[in-house]
Amino acid sequence: DAGVTQSPTHLIKTRGQQVTLRCSPKSGHDTVSWYQQALGQGPQFIFQYYEEEERQRGNFPDRFSGHQFPNYSSELNVNALLLGDSALYLCASSLDLAPGYNEQFFGPGTRLTVL
Amino acid sequence: EDQVTQSPEALRLQEGESSSLNCSYTVSGLRGLFWYRQDPGKGPEFLFTLYSAGEEKEKERLKATLTKKESFLHITAPKPEDSATYLCAVNSGTYKYIFGTGTRLKVLA
Repeated sequence: DAGVTQSPTHLIKTRGQQVTLRCSPKSGHDTVSWYQQALGQGPQFIFQYYEEEERQRGNFPDRFSGHQFPNYSSELNVNALLLGDSALYLCASSLDLAPGYNEQFFGPGTRLTVL
Repeated sequence: EDQVTQSPEALRLQEGESSSLNCSYTVSGLRGLFWYRQDPGKGPEFLFTLYSAGEEKEKERLKATLTKKESFLHITAPKPEDSATYLCAVNSGTYKYIFGTGTRLKVLA
């Protein structure tokens, strides 16, 4: 049973550039959430995608955008990168049951470094 | 605003020395409380979900409990391989999950 996969594993960018991160959900899951985890902190919710639509967003600027494809995979795009965007970006998938009850399973993450 | 506080921030135990990690939460109507284990540089690994006060779940040396204000993760006779960061997250009926900053556990042989 394939778990959540993310690519790439590591990425180095410079300030002002744009980046795209990719996620394939666990088999059977239809919902994808993205999180940002700074060093020594807990994951911070960026947004969640379901049925190819963003249905909830955390406190992140519009520079962060996403997409979900018909096969449930997802992309996270970050424009105009800042030094503070350096973090581990995590994708979590779940099966949409009811708000608050869905168990999320995480991928290994993409480590983004902005120089 | 929903909030999660985990304590202690770090914990060092000798192998076999049992202890508990705490997750205190403030949410308007808890739906689920989730425990994860995270190894350095990796994604969180799902451990447990608790839905109502009084509920308990066990997995090997780990046991999670839930009250109306907090959850405990009890570790019985830990081994060095239990060393990791343990994260707690809550949800109050939206699609947003709120995580604590975690407890870094180190078990010494």
